[in-house]
Amino acid sequence: EPEVTQTPSHQVTQMGQEVILRCVPISNHLYFYWYRQILGQKVEFLVSFYNNEISEKSEIFDDQFSVERPDGSNFTLKIRSTKLEDSAMYFCASSSQGVGNEQFFGPGTRLTVL
Amino acid sequence: GNSVTQMEGPVTLSEEAFLTINCTYTATGYPSLFWYVQYPGEGLQLLLKATKADDKGSNKGFEATYRKETTSFHLEKGSVQVSDSAVYFCALPQFVSGNQFYFGTGTSLTVIP
Repeated sequence: EPEVTQTPSHQVTQMGQEVILRCVPISNHLYFYWYRQILGQKVEFLVSFYNNEISEKSEIFDDQFSVERPDGSNFTLKIRSTKLEDSAMYFCASSSQGVGNEQFFGPGTRLTVL
Repeated sequence: GNSVTQMEGPVTLSEEAFLTINCTYTATGYPSLFWYVQYPGEGLQLLLKATKADDKGSNKGFEATYRKETTSFHLEKGSVQVSDSAVYFCALPQFVSGNQFYFGTGTSLTVIP
């Protein structure tokens, strides 16, 4: 069964460093997403991406964040200068259709900022 | 935007007990409703969904009915197993025309033998 994969599973970085989280969505999906879950808190939407551009973003997704689909398979989330409060589990998701359709999630990358 | 309010946890049940996790929604129109499950150390998996009012979603013995009268989508299972221990999230599209999902706070379920 096709699945969303994410690498690395755990990333530890120093405050102020740049990190890139990688995702491989399900191959025939067209919509891609990033969510995050701070430990013990709810899952929060960051950004959605369709047709090679951002379609929605939340208030969390400020200038320190960017997304890219560098080739036909990968979808990345970059945090330019990490802060302690960026420590969270980051989930990538994809869907074959847009509004209201189920999203398929990856296993997550746990980001720890020291 | 749309939102859900989910029953606070944690919930601890004995094996074979009946499970109900409450979820109520506030929404414009009748968006699809979802339950996702997160097993320890894993990502979110779709458990079940309902796409319109009065629909019943079901999977792995879990059920939830989309009730517009009570704006609810409660998750139920007649007989839980130890392997059902996980965190359960109610979710829906946050906006009528957007793709972002709004997740509830999650309810942690522990089933003891």
